[in-house]
Amino acid sequence: NAGVMQNPRHLVRRRGQEARLRCSPMKGHSHVYWYRQLPEEGLKFMVYLQKENIIDESGMPKERFSAEFPKEGPSILRIQQVVRGDSAAYFCASSPIKQVIGNEQFFGPGTRLTVL
Amino acid sequence: GENVEQHPSTLSVQEGDSAVIKCTYSDSASNYFPWYKQELGKRPQLIIDIRSNVGEKKDQRIAVTLNKTAKHFSLHITETQPEDSAVYFCAASKTDSWGKLQFGAGTQVVVTP
Repeated sequence: NAGVMQNPRHLVRRRGQEARLRCSPMKGHSHVYWYRQLPEEGLKFMVYLQKENIIDESGMPKERFSAEFPKEGPSILRIQQVVRGDSAAYFCASSPIKQVIGNEQFFGPGTRLTVL
Repeated sequence: GENVEQHPSTLSVQEGDSAVIKCTYSDSASNYFPWYKQELGKRPQLIIDIRSNVGEKKDQRIAVTLNKTAKHFSLHITETQPEDSAVYFCAASKTDSWGKLQFGAGTQVVVTP
C-alpha cells in the first residue's frame, strides 16, 4: 500500500510565475489536508478537502492560493504569481476518517518550493 | 482558535537518559493529540497519539500523558538513542474542526552518544 505521494519534490519558480503542487492520498483515503512549513518553523494548516469539495480553507491566504481535489486525480495546490515569501515546504496529509475522535493523518514527503 | 505551545525548543540529552517534551493547548474542546517526529528534510511521521478519553498511552520507549483539566500533554522518551535525534512536534485537533491539526513550534532533540 503506497503512502501519500507528492510531486514534484522540489520546485523552483521565479517571482510572478505559477506553482502547482500535487498530492495523491493513500489508497482508501478521501480526505486531504495541506500544511505549509516555513524554514525552521512548525506546520501551519492551510486547507482541508474531500473529493470535489473544499471543506475548510481558513488557513489559506485570501489571494493567489487555491486548492482542489477532483473526482479523478490528485489534489492540487496552486499558487499564482509567486513571491519570495511563498518559499517553504508544502506537505499534504491524508486521513481515513474512521473514528469519531481523532483520525491519524499520514504525511507525504513534501514539495519544497523555492522562489527566486 | 486553538493555540498550542511547546517547550523546550531544544533539548540535549545523553544517550540512555530520558527526554520530556511538554505542550499546552487553549481550546478545551480539543480531543485528539498526536506527536510527530521529523528528521531533517523528511516528512513528519506519527509516533504516538492520545485521545481525550485516555490519560496515558505507552508504546515501547515512548509514552504520552494527557491532563485535560490543566490542558497539557507530554511526550516521554526513555532510554534515548542517537536515532531519536530529530524535531518533535505536538499537535491538537477537535472533532468539529474537521480534524485539522494545530501544531506546536517543535522541539529539536539531540541525543549525544
